[in-house]
Amino acid sequence: GAGVSQSPRYKVAKRGQDVALRCDPISGHVSLFWYQQALGQGPEFLTYFQNEAQLDKSGLPSDRFFAERPEGSVSTLKIQRTQQEDSAVYLCASSLRLNYGYTFGSGTRLTVV
Amino acid sequence: DQQVKQNSPSLSVQEGRISILNCDYTNSMFDYFLWYKKYPAEGPTFLISISSIKDKNEDGRFTVFLNKSAKHLSLHIVPSQPGDSAVYFCAASAETGANNLFFGTGTRLTVIP
Repeated sequence: GAGVSQSPRYKVAKRGQDVALRCDPISGHVSLFWYQQALGQGPEFLTYFQNEAQLDKSGLPSDRFFAERPEGSVSTLKIQRTQQEDSAVYLCASSLRLNYGYTFGSGTRLTVV
Repeated sequence: DQQVKQNSPSLSVQEGRISILNCDYTNSMFDYFLWYKKYPAEGPTFLISISSIKDKNEDGRFTVFLNKSAKHLSLHIVPSQPGDSAVYFCAASAETGANNLFFGTGTRLTVIP
């Protein structure tokens, strides 16, 4: 596609529910990033993939967060047993190679009630 | 601890005047800096970047200045236009090591027609 596509745009989850957020990067983009943006804050790094390899997951806040990119294209961020503090916008970004001008998607706004 | 700081949450400027957005950082390992622009309900869009080997980079109406000794950078927009109204995020990275960007908390710019 022309840009990075994320779905769903909005997700309301009950506390304790599992959620899965999808990212379709720009076709051919090797690098893929997930960021979390809480209200009033800047995006914070969660994890990074190069093709299907997860090279950095140092930003994942707990073991309830899991990300995968099994075929090196679409990526899924899964959050198990959601808690209220998980409420945020989850941003995905991709780039053709490892550089810093990468393209962000519009994000998924997760609200945990 | 916030490694990239934008101390002004908002800025209002008259159309045609100069907008100056400021950013400070604490990590001396940072050597690549970027500005992103974000409209509501959209992901951040890359605007301009600068490497630490330079002290200025210009692209049309946008100029970024870097003062390494002061660990300070600024984005100048001249002349400001109503379409520039958005939230601007400063971001930084170390070229070696982590692939992730560290973002500031953003400055909301309003350009008054």
